[in-house]
Amino acid sequence: EVQLLESGESLVQPGGSLRLSCVASGFSFSRSGMSWVRQAPGKGLDWVSTITSNGGSTDYADSVKGRFTISRDNSKNALYLQMSSLRAEDTAIYYCAREWYGHFDFWGLGTLVTVSS
Amino acid sequence: EIVLTQSPGTLSLSPGEGATLSCRASQSISNNYLAWYQQKPGQAPRLLIYDVSTRATGIPDRFSGSGSGTDFTLTISRLEPEDFAVYYCQQFGGSPLTFGGGTKVEI
Repeated sequence: EVQLLESGESLVQPGGSLRLSCVASGFSFSRSGMSWVRQAPGKGLDWVSTITSNGGSTDYADSVKGRFTISRDNSKNALYLQMSSLRAEDTAIYYCAREWYGHFDFWGLGTLVTVSS
Repeated sequence: EIVLTQSPGTLSLSPGEGATLSCRASQSISNNYLAWYQQKPGQAPRLLIYDVSTRATGIPDRFSGSGSGTDFTLTISRLEPEDFAVYYCQQFGGSPLTFGGGTKVEI
C-alpha cells in the first residue's frame, strides 16, 4: 500500500522558518520525482516545488523561489521542504505528492502550516 | 505561464445525471500533459485522469476525459452520490506546472 506521511501541523510567526518532512512507502521512492503542492484555506491547488528522483534538479514556483528549498534523502525514503521568511500568504495545507510524467498519482494526507503572530 | 480556466464554477446536479466540466488553457498544452483530480472536503486530491483521457488505476469508467490543444473536458456519465466533490484540471505541458481553479459539483 502506498503511503505518504507528512510531518505534523505547525504554527510559525511571520518571518520564521520551518522544515516539512514526508516519508514514503509502498512504491519505488528513489525512482520517483517528488513534489510539494499547497492549498490555502478554502482555495485551489498550487504547485510549490519539484525535485527529480536523484535530487539533481529542482524547480520552484515564483512565489517561493529564494525562500523555500526542496530536498530528499533516498536512503530514508524522505522528502523535505525547508521554508524560510514565511509570510501569512504561505498559510496552507502542504501535500507531498509523487510526480509521474507530469501528473501526481500519489498524495499524502497533508499538513497544515499556519503563519501568524 | 499557462493559465487554466475551469467552467462552470459550480454545477448543481442530481444523482444519475451526467456532468460535463470544462478546462480551457491560455496556450496549447504540449504532450497531452493534462490531468484531472477529484477532491472531497478534508481529503487530499485523487488522480482521476492523466494524459487527457487515460483513467488512473481504480477509477470507474463513468469518468472520461477528452480534448486537445487548449480545450479539455471531464465527463461523468451518471453521477453517483460519492461523485459530488471539487474537480481540478492540471497541466505540465509548459513550465510552471499549473492547476485550474476548480469546479464544484454539488447536489
